Amino acid sequence: AQTVTQSQPEMSVQEAETVTLSCTYDTSESDYYLFWYKQPPSRQMILVIRQEAYKQQNATENRFSVNFQKAAKSFSLKISDSQLGDAAMYFCAYRSADSNYQLIWGAGTKLIIKP
Amino acid sequence: NAGVTQTPKFRVLKTGQSMTLLCAQDMNHEYMYWYRQDPGMGLRLIHYSVGEGTTAKGEVPDGYNVSRLKKQNFLLGLESAAPSQTSVYFCASQLLEVSGWSYNEQFFGPGTRLTVL
Repeated sequence: AQTVTQSQPEMSVQEAETVTLSCTYDTSESDYYLFWYKQPPSRQMILVIRQEAYKQQNATENRFSVNFQKAAKSFSLKISDSQLGDAAMYFCAYRSADSNYQLIWGAGTKLIIKP
Repeated sequence: NAGVTQTPKFRVLKTGQSMTLLCAQDMNHEYMYWYRQDPGMGLRLIHYSVGEGTTAKGEVPDGYNVSRLKKQNFLLGLESAAPSQTSVYFCASQLLEVSGWSYNEQFFGPGTRLTVL
């Protein structure tokens, strides 16, 4: 069975600086997708970025980018120029290419932005 | 376009009581999901549905039942609530993939905070 591990329960960063959140996963599959979701205090789960395993190029969405290391089964999220609105819980999730689209979730990392 | 809505937002139950959580989506999505979120843990899948009239068990289905009588609605029922079911419940929906390499996003509702005393 697949598992997703986020080893940092909490991270803090100064506003305008860069922070990296870690995620590792365990799978024997070769085709899968990886996601980072953000959950602000409002509880609404919002997709931040996604990566297809077959793509070598790292995904980027504005200030958010990933470092996808398939051999190491690592999928970290980098947030550049951190803003107060980035404060939230961040969840890493895995989906098999043939899983009926079920997501396997990490436990989350709480990101604190210091003004 | 309201997206995914959940009713109610908060609820307090006594042990043994029953209730139904309603999830509605207006995006014509085929797939719908019920998750629970507990402190220090990621979301765990309770039940899901791949289309109207179909449901399937997820990772933690015990104590819950679901129904998908209409495409836009997915109901989660607790027949006899227990304190272990105190949690935040999220509904999500997703469009049917049309290719093997698609990675359609799951859209989430705002959650329902349920407390069972």
